[in-house]
Amino acid sequence: NAGVTQTPKFRVLKTGQSMTLLCAQDMNHEYMYWYRQDPGMGLRLIHYSVGEGTTAKGEVPDGYNVSRLKKQNFLLGLESAAPSQTSVYFCASSYLAGGSNTGELFFGEGSRLTVL
Amino acid sequence: EDQVTQSPEALRLQEGESSSLNCSYTVSGLRGLFWYRQDPGKGPEFLFTLYSAGEEKEKERLKATLTKKESFLHITAPKPEDSATYLCAVQEFLGYSTLTFGKGTMLLVSP
Repeated sequence: NAGVTQTPKFRVLKTGQSMTLLCAQDMNHEYMYWYRQDPGMGLRLIHYSVGEGTTAKGEVPDGYNVSRLKKQNFLLGLESAAPSQTSVYFCASSYLAGGSNTGELFFGEGSRLTVL
Repeated sequence: EDQVTQSPEALRLQEGESSSLNCSYTVSGLRGLFWYRQDPGKGPEFLFTLYSAGEEKEKERLKATLTKKESFLHITAPKPEDSATYLCAVQEFLGYSTLTFGKGTMLLVSP
């Protein structure tokens, strides 16, 4: 059982370049999330999705776009990368129980992005 | 103002030396409080959910407790393999109920 898979695991970009991070989950979860984790800042929510075809902004959405065309996939895009976007990015998913998000998140192993 | 504050930032223990990690929170309506463990280079892994004051959950050497303002993660007789960063998160009764994480406590247990 793969759980949550993120690709790529490492990437180095130059300022202004674009890229897409892919997250795939095989647990049929409704909710999917993209977080970034920086030293001293903890995990901060970038965007999330409550189901196929939906997306919503989190705490730090500027400079990022997302899409959820299929239930199992959640893509995070950087249109014009900036050094401030150097970070470790985590994708997570969770299921519904009683009509609401359970709060038990399943995380991928992370994607380390460096923007020069 | 942070909704979730964890202390201490780092904690070093000797094997067998019990201690507690603290998570204080300020939310208007708590739906749930969560503890996660994160090993270096890995994603966080779910440990516990607590829903109401007075609730306790246990798993091996870990016990989580909840009051109306804070949660404690008690570690009894820790082993080196308990070394990790422990994250606390809260979920409010708002909208889609996403989680807000604290900055974590880095625990190092020496043999």
